[in-house]
Amino acid sequence: GENVEQHPSTLSVQEGDSAVIKCTYSDSASNYFPWYKQELGKRPQLIIDIRSNVGEKKDQRIAVTLNKTAKHFSLHITETQPEDSAVYFCAASISNFGNEKLTFGTGTRLTIIP
Amino acid sequence: GAVVSQHPSRVICKSGTSVKIECRSLDFQATTMFWYRQFPKQSLMLMATSNEGSKATYEQGVEKDKFLINHASLTLSTLTVTSAHPEDSSFYICSAGTGKGGSPLHFGNGTRLTVT
Repeated sequence: GENVEQHPSTLSVQEGDSAVIKCTYSDSASNYFPWYKQELGKRPQLIIDIRSNVGEKKDQRIAVTLNKTAKHFSLHITETQPEDSAVYFCAASISNFGNEKLTFGTGTRLTIIP
Repeated sequence: GAVVSQHPSRVICKSGTSVKIECRSLDFQATTMFWYRQFPKQSLMLMATSNEGSKATYEQGVEKDKFLINHASLTLSTLTVTSAHPEDSSFYICSAGTGKGGSPLHFGNGTRLTVT
């Protein structure tokens, strides 16, 4: 089955700086890669996703890049703000018409230092 | 947008009792729902895939007789933790998809189960 590794496990950056979180996956058939933000005790919130037919996607301060050959994808947050502090999870799956069976990475606790 | 409602949000039960958690898709039909378990400071681990009108598919290592899943309608899936033990204490989250390509999964708010 799919295995997703995520690094780093913790990350602290100064407010205004950029943060980068990286994930690798094992199943070359995976073609859907979402990123979730989770605050303590709450549901994961989708912040951005990418499908394997594109290499990069951007939404304001958040961007995701995908390297299918190397089987890794990364989340980039620019101009970080205190409200970006949370745990971030990457995930991978084979797209199934909105019924994706996600395999999650181990999570990154991001702390933004004011 | 699509909403998934999960109840209860918190439950405390005594060891040996059973607890039922409900996951409802409020404004869409979900032929498939997923149940995840998340221990403190850990990732979400898929427990099972719930299929409407058929048996659930369990992930390796998940006891199907302990974690009973019923998906009797297109809008409701239930997870029953039977004969709960303290080690079952965890955060349980369901998710559901609309079945439309390009649409993301929608997560419930989760259920914090504490077994005393």
